[in-house]
Amino acid sequence: SQQGEEDPQALSIQEGENATMNCSYKTSINNLQWYRQNSGRGLVHLILIRSNEREKHSGRLRVTLDTSKKSSSLLITASRAADTASYFCATAPVYTGTASKLTFGTGTRLQVTL
Amino acid sequence: KAGVTQTPRYLIKTRGQQVTLSCSPISGHRSVSWYQQTPGQGLQFLFEYFSETQRNKGNFPGRFSGRQFSNSRSEMNVSTLELGDSALYLCASSQGAGNTEAFFGQGTRLTVV
Repeated sequence: SQQGEEDPQALSIQEGENATMNCSYKTSINNLQWYRQNSGRGLVHLILIRSNEREKHSGRLRVTLDTSKKSSSLLITASRAADTASYFCATAPVYTGTASKLTFGTGTRLQVTL
Repeated sequence: KAGVTQTPRYLIKTRGQQVTLSCSPISGHRSVSWYQQTPGQGLQFLFEYFSETQRNKGNFPGRFSGRQFSNSRSEMNVSTLELGDSALYLCASSQGAGNTEAFFGQGTRLTVV
């Protein structure tokens, strides 16, 4: 079952604009990871943020984590057409002691137009 | 460093048949997890193998099984296929420790007719 939800479900922006996606989850976590998926292909790992971290950056990506609200956000700055994809958050629960049993959100479909 | 390799990329099977999917993890990674992705249920965890032992299991029927070999390569088997088993099956590779990334393969698209 899906642990979390992402919103919006779909997002359409123009190239150069910023895109923000939000993820909520239900149980305590070890870490939260964000992935990108292009048209039903494999998942590309974007970034991992640990439960004791509040913000992390990687290139044009900025991720925040608020464990008190059980939520995370992914910001993509200066978006490009190549960023068009579905984005998923995935949480690794505390009780398993492993990052390997991930629970995924419902995903946000991002469309970046020229 | 080579990524996660899944074979085959596409499969078409008939109801009642069985199927075996293969996953080769990133070199040095000891954990392999399997996920099923469908439009209706999204991405769901099937099971995880670490050092040839099943370490975690999701809520799937016993028709879904797996194994891991000494070189960390893993196979997933689905017996008595049903139409609802049509999905993208994804394999993830990680070092297996608590706070490490999981890297995915390109998936195997299974269609049951």
